[in-house]
Amino acid sequence: DQQVKQNSPSLSVQEGRISILNCDYTNSMFDYFLWYKKYPAEGPTFLISISSIKDKNEDGRFTVFLNKSAKHLSLHIVPSQPGDSAVYFCAASDPPNAGGTSYGKLTFGQGTILTVHP
Amino acid sequence: DGGITQSPKYLFRKEGQNVTLSCEQNLNHDAMYWYRQDPGQGLRLIYYSQIVNDFQKGDIAEGYSVSREKKESFPLTVTSAQKNPTAFYLCASSSPGGARTYEQYFGPGTRLTVT
Repeated sequence: DQQVKQNSPSLSVQEGRISILNCDYTNSMFDYFLWYKKYPAEGPTFLISISSIKDKNEDGRFTVFLNKSAKHLSLHIVPSQPGDSAVYFCAASDPPNAGGTSYGKLTFGQGTILTVHP
Repeated sequence: DGGITQSPKYLFRKEGQNVTLSCEQNLNHDAMYWYRQDPGQGLRLIYYSQIVNDFQKGDIAEGYSVSREKKESFPLTVTSAQKNPTAFYLCASSSPGGARTYEQYFGPGTRLTVT
């Protein structure tokens, strides 16, 4: 059962326009969400994250929105640049154990291939 | 520079052979993870370790084994029992503390092809 879903396998956007990548989750225990960017044959790199106590987090051209009631998050990239072309994964984390001895495991979505055309 | 290294980048094996993938980190992170990536399936957790000499199965541990004898190292063995071993394998690590507890840092990956 896929607890984190990215229903759009791919997205194509014109340079300078907004890219919106979506992610849905089913586990209401998830308390932290992350977006990673991945180029072919490389490891993912962390992009931006958001805690479940917030509904928005901004970092330069990247903004993540969280709608807890809908169990939905989205990543906005404005303006999009050709160098943004990559696979984007959303990930959700279980909370660590109350004793603080366990780290939140990440559950990843399937990824969305973003292509930004010049 | 601090980071995670995985070697080799590409690995080829014959069916029926065990193979061990290397993962080393010099970030002083306590937790380490192994994922595999298959087309259209995202990253799936194989094993993870929170401290030395301790590790837990992830979502798809069957056919794999790990060890954590040193904080810096978390090798993954793909055994002959793994039905579909051909995949891109990613190692990651993370550290406790503050808001970045959840963030995992990834190595460059190893592409394993079994024929």
